[in-house]
Amino acid sequence: GAVVSQHPSWVICKSGTSVKIECRSLDFQATTMFWYRQFPKQSLMLMATSNEGSKATYEQGVEKDKFLINHASLTLSTLTVTSAHPEDSSFYICSARMGTNTDTQYFGPGTRLTVL
Amino acid sequence: GESVGLHLPTLSVQEGDNSIINCAYSNSASDYFIWYKQESGKGPQFIIDIRSNMDKRQGQRVTVLLNKTVKHLSLQIAATQPGDSAVYFCAAAYQGAQKLVFGQGTRLTINP
Repeated sequence: GAVVSQHPSWVICKSGTSVKIECRSLDFQATTMFWYRQFPKQSLMLMATSNEGSKATYEQGVEKDKFLINHASLTLSTLTVTSAHPEDSSFYICSARMGTNTDTQYFGPGTRLTVL
Repeated sequence: GESVGLHLPTLSVQEGDNSIINCAYSNSASDYFIWYKQESGKGPQFIIDIRSNMDKRQGQRVTVLLNKTVKHLSLQIAATQPGDSAVYFCAAAYQGAQKLVFGQGTRLTINP
């Protein structure tokens, strides 16, 4: 149980294009999903918290117009990196929280984004 | 706020020995702690968690110890195996905060 998937697992794009990453909870309903980015040999940095049906809450320093988050259903959240640049290249990981009475987050396998 | 730190960025142990990974947190209001294992190129995998009303919790080959007095927790892995090689992260949360604060990670290397 508590399986989270991400798609795609990796993507290479040209500078200036937009990339959409999907995060799905496969066997549970996730009222809250989280998006993280991770640079090589570093820890996870929370980008935003996404509650189903409402606007995402972004962490300080994260541009909400650049990293668009949509949490349209209890099993799907998407992160769109708009007008991507090489400095956006990173490992993007989502997590999902099962219900509201738990703090446990289950993570997806991550998406490696490379912007040329 | 909360900050979480790990005592050692790397740890090498002999196969079969026990491993102990340490973590410290700053916010005394933190009431939930969790350990994750991350293998190269993959997302973090849940290992074990503990709430502040407990000081010890055991899983399969793993034990988490929580010392609220000194704001310290540890992850013990018994009879370490090659498959345990990974980066281990501790994370903390406080009631109502929703989000987890992650430490920097400890890379565990198993020597044959």
